[in-house]
Amino acid sequence: QQQVRQSSQSLTVWEGETAILNCSYENSAFDYFPWYQQFPGEGPALLIAIRSVSDKKEDGRFTIFFNKREKNLSLHIKDSQPGDSATYFCAASASSGSWQLIFGSGTQLTVMP
Amino acid sequence: AQTIHQWPVAEIKAVGSPLSLGCTIKGKSSPNLYWYWQATGGTLQQLFYSITVGQVESVVQLNLSASRPKDDQFILSTEKLLLSHSGFYLCAWSNRGRSAETLYFGSGTRLTVL
Repeated sequence: QQQVRQSSQSLTVWEGETAILNCSYENSAFDYFPWYQQFPGEGPALLIAIRSVSDKKEDGRFTIFFNKREKNLSLHIKDSQPGDSATYFCAASASSGSWQLIFGSGTQLTVMP
Repeated sequence: AQTIHQWPVAEIKAVGSPLSLGCTIKGKSSPNLYWYWQATGGTLQQLFYSITVGQVESVVQLNLSASRPKDDQFILSTEKLLLSHSGFYLCAWSNRGRSAETLYFGSGTRLTVL
């Protein structure tokens, strides 16, 4: 049973376009949703995160849109650059004493110059 | 600044041989510590977590064990490797707290079991 789902295994966009990566979850107890960026051969790094009390979080070119009722969220990468080509993981955790951060299967983003 | 160091960077081992991977966190007192496993091109599967020295909780059973002998050290081991143990092992830390939120990952150990 996949608790966190990422609908696209891969996504290709052109430089300058907005890349949209989607994620959904099942557990209503999840209230913290980070996105991680991973380059080949490296550990993942936190990109941006949102709590369930918010419906939007923006940081530079990266924006998370969150829909609690539908249990889904999306990461928008504005003005995509070739250097953004990486695998992006959606993750979720519950703040009530859970030490598990559960990851989706990842979306491999390729930005074509 | 906090730093996380994993060793070794890569290992090639035979099926049935023992394994020990390590992780050290510097510049952070009493962090929560985690081990994750990642198959090539796959998701990150949490294996263990520890919120204090000497205490480790298992999340999934993969014939692996973990120990936290010091506040800043986390060890992953097994006495007998399986082919299915191949993959990328990642150690991570988070601030001491009631839950796993922002995790900071090391650069990983690539394990190949032949």
